[in-house]
Amino acid sequence: DIQLTQSPSFLSASVGDRVTITCRATQGISRYLAWYQQIPGKAPKLLIYAASTLQRGVPSRFSGSGSGTEFTLAISSLQPEDFATYYCQQLNSYPRTFGQGTKVEIK
Amino acid sequence: EAQLEESGGGLVQPGGSLRLSCAASGFTVTSKSMTWVRQAPGKGLEWVSLIYSSGNTYYADSVKGRFTISRDNSKNTLYMEMNNLRVDDTAVYYCAREGRIWQDYYYYFMDVWGKGTTVTVSS
Repeated sequence: DIQLTQSPSFLSASVGDRVTITCRATQGISRYLAWYQQIPGKAPKLLIYAASTLQRGVPSRFSGSGSGTEFTLAISSLQPEDFATYYCQQLNSYPRTFGQGTKVEIK
Repeated sequence: EAQLEESGGGLVQPGGSLRLSCAASGFTVTSKSMTWVRQAPGKGLEWVSLIYSSGNTYYADSVKGRFTISRDNSKNTLYMEMNNLRVDDTAVYYCAREGRIWQDYYYYFMDVWGKGTTVTVSS
């Protein structure tokens, strides 16, 4: 199975900060990677697929990059509604594994 | 607008069984790949199972042989039959649609999610 490791697992940031989250895969997955945002008590929400394609309706301050084994989610200017937990997921093979999550909290 | 709504969760004893349902609207469950994802209390997301539009199925090792994914076209509903439940199956269970889009290849993503149903396995 492909394992995904996100770093950091936790980050504290202020409104307006630029933040980046990294997701590393144990083997190459081309661009078969998606990012999700989850607010406590809510279902995950798709942000990015194919490593860098923004889902419709997602603000342009979110961006994704990478291919192969290393991927990045960036938020250019953190907004109050962005404080949440973020997950990467590989869709290259089964099982469709998730990273362990990165919790973004207000500093 | 595509929507999903889960039901069927509850409290069950270890070794017991439960069937989860996921009613779809705005699209037909047999035209898309459909998945189940779970989240144990305070933990991350765990992919559980998928059924292709063709009917092929895949499972996580942790549930293989105990859980069965299926669907009913007439009711436009996805199911998860869960047998021999264990304490570590306790989680919120989400159903989600796996969509795909053509770029240079087909790329996949989970774009529609239900709100989840809670399964608690405890004596």
